[in-house]
Amino acid sequence: DAKTTQPTSMDCAEGRAANLPCNHSTISGNEYVYWYRQIHSQGPQYIIHGLKNNETNEMASLIITEDRKSSTLILPHATLRDTAVYYCIVRVGGNAGNMLTFGGGTRLMVKP
Amino acid sequence: GAGVSQSPRYKVAKRGQDVALRCDPISGHVSLFWYQQALGQGPEFLTYFQNEAQLDKSGLPSDRFFAERPEGSVSTLKIQRTQQEDSAVYLCASSLPGGKKLFFGSGTQLSVL
Repeated sequence: DAKTTQPTSMDCAEGRAANLPCNHSTISGNEYVYWYRQIHSQGPQYIIHGLKNNETNEMASLIITEDRKSSTLILPHATLRDTAVYYCIVRVGGNAGNMLTFGGGTRLMVKP
Repeated sequence: GAGVSQSPRYKVAKRGQDVALRCDPISGHVSLFWYQQALGQGPEFLTYFQNEAQLDKSGLPSDRFFAERPEGSVSTLKIQRTQQEDSAVYLCASSLPGGKKLFFGSGTQLSVL
């Protein structure tokens, strides 16, 4: 699976949009971009995933560049409960054991 | 509850002791994964089951680590002769067949003294 690069940490003001970048310049055509987050003392939680089109759900939006070498996770109105480590993961879609390879992630701190 | 359940939540073991960690996946989820998460690091894959078959155990760090899922539901991760370096959070996750997202439990925090 392709390697991803994320900033180690970011701050965001409560109520503002949080934009979390991820670089995956070696992504292959059949690899999806996944985002998970991990709130302190909990297991990771699925947020969203996409292949090449932008995606939106009740939690977030995922913007993937046209060349697919980078993406941005957008939390439109961050709250204090969004403080967590956010992991960007690239993996082959389908039923390849669904194994995920986590990197270090971005520690997002939402401040009042 | 409807989520993945892990027990115990916390486990303290003396070095050399054997431990067993339990995972109850979401009902109907045939895929089950174990991950190990050291302090300040992302989770690392240990092993994967599809039903009762262990299809990938490439992430198990040594032969002291053993996982089983005899009836294709509950799984147990066993660590023999625990060492201090085994101290970590052990996470279990499950998914539907072909599902693209994993559902994680809250983990078992193992401390080896």
